[in-house]
Amino acid sequence: SAVISQKPSRDICQRGTSLTIQCQVDSQVTMMFWYRQQPGQSLTLIATANQGSEATYESGFVIDKFPISRPNLTFSTLTVSNMSPEDSSIYLCSVAALAGSTDTQYFGPGTRLTVL
Amino acid sequence: AQSVAQPEDQVNVAEGNPLTVKCTYSVSGNPYLFWYVQYPNRGLQFLLKYITGDNLVKGSYGFEAEFNKSQTSFHLKKPSALVSDSALYFCAVRDGGGGFKTIFGAGTRLFVKA
Repeated sequence: SAVISQKPSRDICQRGTSLTIQCQVDSQVTMMFWYRQQPGQSLTLIATANQGSEATYESGFVIDKFPISRPNLTFSTLTVSNMSPEDSSIYLCSVAALAGSTDTQYFGPGTRLTVL
Repeated sequence: AQSVAQPEDQVNVAEGNPLTVKCTYSVSGNPYLFWYVQYPNRGLQFLLKYITGDNLVKGSYGFEAEFNKSQTSFHLKKPSALVSDSALYFCAVRDGGGGFKTIFGAGTRLFVKA
């Protein structure tokens, strides 16, 4: 499995500001994803990060609020823009090495975001 | 549309006893099923998966799960629980008919008492 790191591990931010979360993988992966885990809840897929093209967003998530970059096969960023307290969550990066749907997804340690 | 249900918010077992964490699913195609565990302040760790083949799959840390197509279930089991197994467990499903979208259950918190 891949080793996934995220920066920052946690942050406390003010309302109206933006935070960029970085995800770094120790090997090249085909698929990268961003999830949100709100307090006491399950995981919700925000988007699939596509290398060299715009991310594919799930229903309820938009690029203006959650811009994503993926410049290469080992790195992606998620920005949470114009934050409000409702954005307080754990944000998780996930990867899969292969394009085939049988492949297992692996997760980073998460970024715990608190918005005041 | 695919969905997954974990009917128990919490499961309590005594150390040394067998444990079961329940999961049922709904997909239109062949189900690809996964179990993950989340320890406090950490990301999700992969435990096991069912794609095809033997209905009983074995995974990490002595866990296993049984795929039951007629009951659309994929319950997680362990013959003898450890206190260190206490964590949050997520069942997840993907439609094998295509795409990579994985749906996660709400999670079940497992408490193992010494």
